[in-house]
Amino acid sequence: DSGVTQTPKHLITATGQRVTLRCSPRSGDLSVYWYQQSLDQGLQFLIQYYNGEERAKGNILERFSAQQFPDLHSELNLSSLELGDSALYFCASSVVGGSRTSTDTQYFGPGTRLTVL
Amino acid sequence: AQSVAQPEDQVNVAEGNPLTVKCTYSVSGNPYLFWYVQYPNRGLQFLLKYITGDNLVKGSYGFEAEFNKSQTSFHLKKPSALVSDSALYFCAVRPRSGYALNFGKGTSLLVTP
Repeated sequence: DSGVTQTPKHLITATGQRVTLRCSPRSGDLSVYWYQQSLDQGLQFLIQYYNGEERAKGNILERFSAQQFPDLHSELNLSSLELGDSALYFCASSVVGGSRTSTDTQYFGPGTRLTVL
Repeated sequence: AQSVAQPEDQVNVAEGNPLTVKCTYSVSGNPYLFWYVQYPNRGLQFLLKYITGDNLVKGSYGFEAEFNKSQTSFHLKKPSALVSDSALYFCAVRPRSGYALNFGKGTSLLVTP
């Protein structure tokens, strides 16, 4: 158990809908990262937050957004869902991650499996 | 462009034999290198990382990895495989100038009794 928690474990919804995925980082970690794992794209970085501020952006669609709250938990919002958004969404956290020279390790949660029908 | 290659989709090993899971990368500079393992219906578990120093890195569950700068490789090894090592293994690279992990496509390891 990495100490990173994600809810819900599974989510089934329809195209066009909006969902929110939640992540609680390990105690003391300031950075949260979101990744998407799909069969065709593999594991792709979406976005990183550090102590409440967006720090880095990857291949995140405009229909997707995220935020990190004062208690450091994070939410990933996916809207106007399409069939291709079906994937496993991972959250990871690290102690710092606020500097490009940081060498800290990212620890992953169990993921949320999103199925769009 | 940055890339991480895991050339084998699957590696089959008999229990007790040594195992190697290969990883090569094409990333400018001196990146940080990681190995993660994913068991079915589980998240990714951190195994080990290379930051600097000794080219042989020891990690969790008896795994180790050998960094080779000239070949830009970071192969995962274990002297004696266990059936319970069967899982999906991911190599990841983080450029020193960035934050995100770039993952390989993964290698499925099957250890047979």
